[in-house]
Amino acid sequence: KQEVTQIPAALSVPEGENLVLNCSFTDSAIYNLQWFRQDPGKGLTSLLLIQSSQREQTSGRLNASLDKSSGRSTLYIAASQPGDSATYLCAALETSGSRLTFGEGTQLTVNP
Amino acid sequence: GAVVSQHPSRVICKSGTSVKIECRSLDFQATTMFWYRQFPKQSLMLMATSNEGSKATYEQGVEKDKFLINHASLTLSTLTVTSAHPEDSSFYICSALTGNGNQPQHFGDGTRLSIL
Repeated sequence: KQEVTQIPAALSVPEGENLVLNCSFTDSAIYNLQWFRQDPGKGLTSLLLIQSSQREQTSGRLNASLDKSSGRSTLYIAASQPGDSATYLCAALETSGSRLTFGEGTQLTVNP
Repeated sequence: GAVVSQHPSRVICKSGTSVKIECRSLDFQATTMFWYRQFPKQSLMLMATSNEGSKATYEQGVEKDKFLINHASLTLSTLTVTSAHPEDSSFYICSALTGNGNQPQHFGDGTRLSIL
């Protein structure tokens, strides 16, 4: 059974800092790895999706990497802004292509 | 982009009431819809997967008679929490998928269910 772990559980940084969120998964047989953002009381917004054959994906100030062999993914946020404050969830999609297993998230606070 | 609408956003009701939550894909056809449950400060736990026109597949430990799922069309799935009790209070989120795993799931905004 796939297990996804995210470290740290919470992170508070001053505005402008670059930061890294970590995600690890126990079963490397994944279809893809996804990063989501969740604002309080809201659903999920997809940020980046990395296929199992890829090493990284970039979107604006966000860069996600994937090392399938070691079961790790990182989300790099450059020049953080207060608007980046949210919970960030990573999720591994099993090879059948349907079930997503989520980590417990990293709650990020960017202080102005 | 793809939009998933979930309704209602919040429900407060008495114990014993049955509550229906709707999940609609507004601008695409969803071959598969998923229902998740999220407790405070915890991650999303998959409850069930439903494909249009067939019975839902429930995850281990999820009571199918308690959480009734209907996916009658390619744009609508419903989750009915039958005879809800306080322990059913949670945040319920649906997502929809079209095609295969190359595409991300699109999530609704969730429903906060509070049973008194």
